[in-house]
Amino acid sequence: DIQMTQSPSSLSASVGDRVTITCRASQSISSALNWYQQKPGKPPNLLIYAASSLQSGVPSRFSGSGSGRDFTLTISGLQPEDFASYYCQQSYTTPTFGGGTKVEIK
Amino acid sequence: EVQLVESGGDLVQPGGSLRLSCAASGFTVSSSYMSWVRQAPGKGLEWVSAFYSGGTTYYADSVKGRFTISRDTSENTLYLQMNSLRADDTAVYYCARQIGRSTTFDYWGQGTLVTVSS
Repeated sequence: DIQMTQSPSSLSASVGDRVTITCRASQSISSALNWYQQKPGKPPNLLIYAASSLQSGVPSRFSGSGSGRDFTLTISGLQPEDFASYYCQQSYTTPTFGGGTKVEIK
Repeated sequence: EVQLVESGGDLVQPGGSLRLSCAASGFTVSSSYMSWVRQAPGKGLEWVSAFYSGGTTYYADSVKGRFTISRDTSENTLYLQMNSLRADDTAVYYCARQIGRSTTFDYWGQGTLVTVSS
């Protein structure tokens, strides 16, 4: 299975900050990388698919980039509703998820 | 509107069995790729099993031989039969729809909690 490594595992940020989360695959996955947001007690919500495509209804402050093994999720101008956990997931083969990044209020 | 509603989660003893259901609306399960994904308490996400529209099924190594995924097209429902349950199967189980033939999950249910404990 392809292993997905996310960093950091947690971060503290303030409203308005620019936040970057990285995800590295154990082998090349082309652009087959998705990002999800999850709030406590709720299911994951698809934010970004195919590394950089914004899912319908997701605010444009979320963006994704990368290809091959290294990927980035950026939140430009953190909003109060963005404090949550974020997961990357490869869709190149049998799906696997990163360990998650918890974004907390500073 | 697409909706997925899971049910069937419960407290079960190690070695026991449980069947989870995922009732779909707003689309047809028979023409979609569907998966079960689980999340142990306080942990990350783990893909468990998939049912593709042609009838092909897939399983994670951790559940192979113990879990069986199936669907009922007349009920528009996805199922997960879970046998020989272990403590490390304790998790919230989500069903999720896949976009086309990809393994990108665009709709998720609210989840159902399975607790395996004596």
